[in-house]
Amino acid sequence: DTEVTQTPKHLVMGMTNKKSLKCEQHMGHRAMYWYKQKAKKPPELMFVYSYEKLSINESVPSRFSPECPNSSLLNLHLHALQPEDSALYLCASSQGTVSSYNEQFFGPGTRLTVL
Amino acid sequence: GQQVMQIPQYQHVQEGEDFTTYCNSSTTLSNIQWYKQRPGGHPVFLIQLVKSGEVKKQKRLTFQFGEAKKNSSLHITATQTTDVGTYFCAAISYNTNAGKSTFGDGTTLTVKP
Repeated sequence: DTEVTQTPKHLVMGMTNKKSLKCEQHMGHRAMYWYKQKAKKPPELMFVYSYEKLSINESVPSRFSPECPNSSLLNLHLHALQPEDSALYLCASSQGTVSSYNEQFFGPGTRLTVL
Repeated sequence: GQQVMQIPQYQHVQEGEDFTTYCNSSTTLSNIQWYKQRPGGHPVFLIQLVKSGEVKKQKRLTFQFGEAKKNSSLHITATQTTDVGTYFCAAISYNTNAGKSTFGDGTTLTVKP
C-alpha cells in the first residue's frame, strides 16, 4: 500500500463547529505533515510529526489542533475557524524527515469551506 | 527566513515546444525536491537532487542542481498535453528545522494541442 488517504474529501462547517480531518498511511513512514493550500498557491507547512511527536509547529493558530494517535494516523482538529481558513488541507508522509533526503507522499486532500 | 523564488509563474506552450522552470534560494540548500500537481490533484514527487551540479533525467524531463546548491531547474523537452500542471520545487536548507521544506510558488504549465 503506497498511498496516503484522507477523510473527508469535502467538509463544510460553520464558524462555531468542531470537526476533525483524518489522515492515514500504511507505508511505515515515521514523519507526517499537515499542509494548507490556497487556490493557485503552494502548499504551506503547518505541522510536522516525527516518530509520533510534534517536531514543527509553524506558528499555526490554536484553532487548529493536530494529533498523532499512532504511527499510521494523523488528525487535525478544527474549532472556531474563520472563513479565511477555507482551503485544501493536505496530509503527507515520508520515511524519515525531508532533511534526511526522504520524499513526501501526499494524500488527495480535504477541501474545507468555512461559512 | 528562507526564501524560495520560482519563475515563471505561468507558461503557455504549443505542444512539442520545450519548457523550463527555475527555482532560486536565498540560502545554500541541503537538497531540493520537485513535485507536480495536476489540476484538481495533489502534489506528486518527481525527483530529488542532493549533490552540487547534479543532473538527473527522467525521459523528457531534465533536472539540474546548481554548483552552489542555491538554484535548480526543470526542463521538459517536446511538451505533451499530459505535462499540464503546476510544478513546484521544495527546498530543504541546512539552516532550517529538521523536517521542513519550503515550496516555491510553482510554475503552471498549459499546453496547447
